[in-house]
Amino acid sequence: QQPVQSPQAVILREGEDAVINCSSSKALYSVHWYRQKHGEAPVFLMILLKGGEQKGHDKISASFNEKKQQSSLYLTASQLSYSGTYFCGTGSGGSYIPTFGRGTSLIVHP
Amino acid sequence: DTAVSQTPKYLVTQMGNDKSIKCEQNLGHDTMYWYKQDSKKFLKIMFSYNNKELIINETVPNRFSPKSPDKAHLNLHINSLELGDSAVYFCASSPQRGPHNEQFFGPGTRLTVL
Repeated sequence: QQPVQSPQAVILREGEDAVINCSSSKALYSVHWYRQKHGEAPVFLMILLKGGEQKGHDKISASFNEKKQQSSLYLTASQLSYSGTYFCGTGSGGSYIPTFGRGTSLIVHP
Repeated sequence: DTAVSQTPKYLVTQMGNDKSIKCEQNLGHDTMYWYKQDSKKFLKIMFSYNNKELIINETVPNRFSPKSPDKAHLNLHINSLELGDSAVYFCASSPQRGPHNEQFFGPGTRLTVL
């Protein structure tokens, strides 16, 4: 079952914050986050493996609420380089690989 | 020092032709994947191999046949190409199988079927 990402698109000015959500109807064991810039391959950002886990580097962080079967990606003080499509991938019982959501397009303007 | 490489980067061909895409990873990973990304950017898993053994074979037409000669290579052969096959095909690898493993993607092959 494919996770649902929201919003589908976000438009920001440099320096603004954004939150991207990823939710699943199944119990989750892991959540991946990837960013894909236009014309490039998806690039791994981070993976969360435990409920309640939070991770981050630079000004991008994520949380995993196992009970609610959802994860959120937080982009703080966004930079132009943050523009791209963000995908979450969720892993649940019996799955060999994460199942990707449909992506959230993030555009950061100067 | 490319981690996951694919050839060719672009492929333009006529309907009905047969074509192959090659993928190689130099990360020493056990697991490799083929994804199809359509014009709406949906990343759909097609196949996955773990140590040369097929472990995932999603609902993909029989015209698509993966081959893994060794664990560093995973090729994709497509017979009788159709217009709907036009997409970007990504190869990826991960250290092991399992949903807790980070995936490393190749640069993609943009296939256009005319």
